[in-house]
Amino acid sequence: RKEVEQDPGPFNVPEGATVAFNCTYSNSASQSFFWYRQDCRKEPKLLMSVYSSGNEDGRFTAQLNRASQYISLLIRDSKLSDSATYLCVVSFNTGGFKTIFGAGTRLFVKA
Amino acid sequence: EAGVAQSPRYKIIEKRQSVAFWCNPISGHATLYWYQQILGQGPKLLIQFQNNGVVDDSQLPKDRFSAERLKGVDSTLKIQPAKLEDSAVYLCASNPGHLNSYEQYFGPGTRLTVT
Repeated sequence: RKEVEQDPGPFNVPEGATVAFNCTYSNSASQSFFWYRQDCRKEPKLLMSVYSSGNEDGRFTAQLNRASQYISLLIRDSKLSDSATYLCVVSFNTGGFKTIFGAGTRLFVKA
Repeated sequence: EAGVAQSPRYKIIEKRQSVAFWCNPISGHATLYWYQQILGQGPKLLIQFQNNGVVDDSQLPKDRFSAERLKGVDSTLKIQPAKLEDSAVYLCASNPGHLNSYEQYFGPGTRLTVT
């Protein structure tokens, strides 16, 4: 089983749609959770951290469910510019801080 | 503030040749990472430095890959000899290294093609 698993997609949605991505992780000792965004042929950039209480940043909402070991990202009112790959990232401390990236979920928003 | 710099941006080599990549992290960042990203996959950590010491190199294929960060600033990653399956983007990232600093700042990457 992979340490971090994501639905690879692609998700094809029209502008204005709401889309949700899920990610599961296997290490119950995982401590920190993030979503990164990666545009085509570009480097990954932090989109948002994910907290147990859930957090929102504009049209983006991230949720963490520790009991079920999954995190989610919800994008409301999708824009063309949201088209990208969304990487789920999990970190845990095993004598040193280790970070694992998921394979990413591709999103295409069409006009 | 200048970002993470990497060079070269592209490299094409034949299998069994050697190649080296260079990374200059954001000034003052103690932690430096090298990742390998194969097309369609997420970045895979190869090695993590804290200043000039290695924190994690468990996924570095040590028979052919080596990395160093001698003065705790810039770093080089070398592959010798290269194999076809080494074709990937090699990403360098840095982080301040403080206890509560989790965000990794990535460079533009070096796209390696092994023929």
